[in-house]
Formats: sequence, C-alpha cells, structure tokens
Amino acid sequence: DIQMTQSPSSLSASVGDRVTITCRASQGVSNHLAWFQQKPGKAPKSLIHSASTLQRGVPSTFSGSGSGTVFTLTISSLQPEDVATYYCQHYDSSPFTFGPGTKVDIK
Amino acid sequence: QVQLVESGGGVVQPEGSLRLSCAASGFTLNSYGMQWVRQAPGKGLEWVAFISYDASRKYYADSVKGRFTISRDMSKNTLFLQMNSLRPEDTAMYYCASIADYWGQGALVTVSS
Repeated sequence: DIQMTQSPSSLSASVGDRVTITCRASQGVSNHLAWFQQKPGKAPKSLIHSASTLQRGVPSTFSGSGSGTVFTLTISSLQPEDVATYYCQHYDSSPFTFGPGTKVDIK
Repeated sequence: QVQLVESGGGVVQPEGSLRLSCAASGFTLNSYGMQWVRQAPGKGLEWVAFISYDASRKYYADSVKGRFTISRDMSKNTLFLQMNSLRPEDTAMYYCASIADYWGQGALVTVSS
C-alpha cells in the first residue's frame, strides 16, 4: 500500500505570507494526486487535481506542483479565509490514501 | 449545478446494518470514478471505497473489506454504501465524492449500544 505523509502537521503564518505544504508518497503515484481544503464543521472542498490543475472557481493564489513521490501545495498570499486543514490524496492504485492533514492558521 | 446529497445516516447498534445513499445531480455517475470517504470525530479523512466510472472495478479499505459494499443505480443516478456488521469504530461522518472533484455534505453514522 502507498503511504502518504504531509509536512508540516500545522503552521501559523501572517496574512500575505507565502505558505507551502509538502505531501510525500511512499511510492510513485505519477500525477494522480489531489489537494483538498476542509474548514471546521464543513465538507472538504477540492482545490487541485492531477497534481497541478486548479479546480474551477479556486483562487489563483493556490497552486500545486510535483510528480512521482513529492508534491507541494502553495498559497502565494495567505488570506484569513484560507484558515483550514489541507489534505492530499493519491488516486493511483488502491487504497487511495489520504495524507494526515496540515492545519493552517493565522499568526 | 453539480450536487451530491447523502442520506441514510443514523444511530445503529453494533453488528447492525445501514445503507447510505448519495444522489447525484448535474452530472452522471458513469462519468467519474466515485468514492466514499469517512471522518471520525476530530480525526482526518479516511478513504473507504471506490467504484470506477463503468462499475467494472470496486476497491475497499482493509478496515471495511467484507463488511461494506459500494454500488450504484444509474436509473436513479445514485451511489450507495451498504454497511453490515457495523462496529463502534465505524462511527464517522461519511462523504461521497467523485475522484478529485465534487463532495457531498456528509451523513453521520453512529454505532453505539
């Protein structure tokens, strides 16, 4: 089974800061990697699919990159509404594991 | 407008059964691979099951294999999760989602005596 890790597990940054979250897969998953945002008490929301393709309606301050085993989600300018937990998920081969999440808040 | 609406959650005793439904609108289920994902209280997301766009492939997490069954009814454009032999550790919010895209609002399942 492919294991997913994320770093950091949590971060605190100022409004306007550039924030980067890293997701690592224990084996290569090509570009079969998605990123999700979950705000407290809400369902997850899709941000990025295929490692780097922004979902419709997602602000361009979000971007994704990577392929194989290392992926990054970048928020170019952190906004108060970006406070959430962020998860990666691979969908290369079963089981389609999620990362443990990265909690982002405002300093 | 794309929408996924789950139903069928509730409180059930250990070893009981429950069937979750996920009604899709704005797209057809045979356009996407679909999955069920759960989240125990205060925990992260856990992948549960997957059905391919043509229903030819179905995969399950080890934690539910042999107890849960994913299926769909194209005439109703609805995804299902049949859950048998439920355990207290199955208590969670259950979400249906297309792979890497749309999510429902969730259905709460509580397994307790």
